Amino acid sequence: GEDVEQSLFLSVREGDSSVINCTYTDSSSTYLYWYKQEPGAGLQLLTYIFSNMDMKQDQRLTVLLNKKDKHLSLRIADTQTGDSAIYFCAEPISSNDYKLSFGAGTTVTVRA
Amino acid sequence: DVKVTQSSRYLVKRTGEKVFLECVQDMDHENMFWYRQDPGLGLRLIYFSYDVKMKEKGDIPEGYSVSREKKERFSLILESASTNQTSMYLCASSFYPVGGGSGELFFGEGSRLTVL
Repeated sequence: GEDVEQSLFLSVREGDSSVINCTYTDSSSTYLYWYKQEPGAGLQLLTYIFSNMDMKQDQRLTVLLNKKDKHLSLRIADTQTGDSAIYFCAEPISSNDYKLSFGAGTTVTVRA
Repeated sequence: DVKVTQSSRYLVKRTGEKVFLECVQDMDHENMFWYRQDPGLGLRLIYFSYDVKMKEKGDIPEGYSVSREKKERFSLILESASTNQTSMYLCASSFYPVGGGSGELFFGEGSRLTVL
């Protein structure tokens, strides 16, 4: 996984759904990750999905995985101002490795 | 809670100075990482260490070195700082390999370095 790609910016109205998209590179990746970085802070793991799953839901978060197209998405329902952050998609560089390859990050701005 | 502490949140240095960025984790993690974060480029791995005194180069090691004398401490060293090293530096640690799903990375809050 050398080039994980994401769009850079997303603006969404409070209460609407946000969808953040990511394209990854390694079809053998066992897990794929979403990290969140709030202003002035480091990254925190938001959620992850195992490659044998198509979908994972966790409260307001839904992760969709399309292995054929190597496409990962994160949907945030009922987006709140506290969801304003940078969201990073990440994949392991190899299945037993210690390293993650990160996308450039999508800056989500929630407007009232 | 896992805590990864970076010693300096903000630093301003001059070109040619030697810079030390310190990182300490308190959860006995085997693996420690230094990333650089730049707008539009995301996080790029500089170095990582999977054991005391062990280190491996990441994607952009040029101009940097690291030291891991104790398990809990991982230092990033800029031997001679240059203006293109102005950036946000993030330290992270993990216990398991990230390919195992439980290999969550725990990040510090970052050190913003400005080189004049």
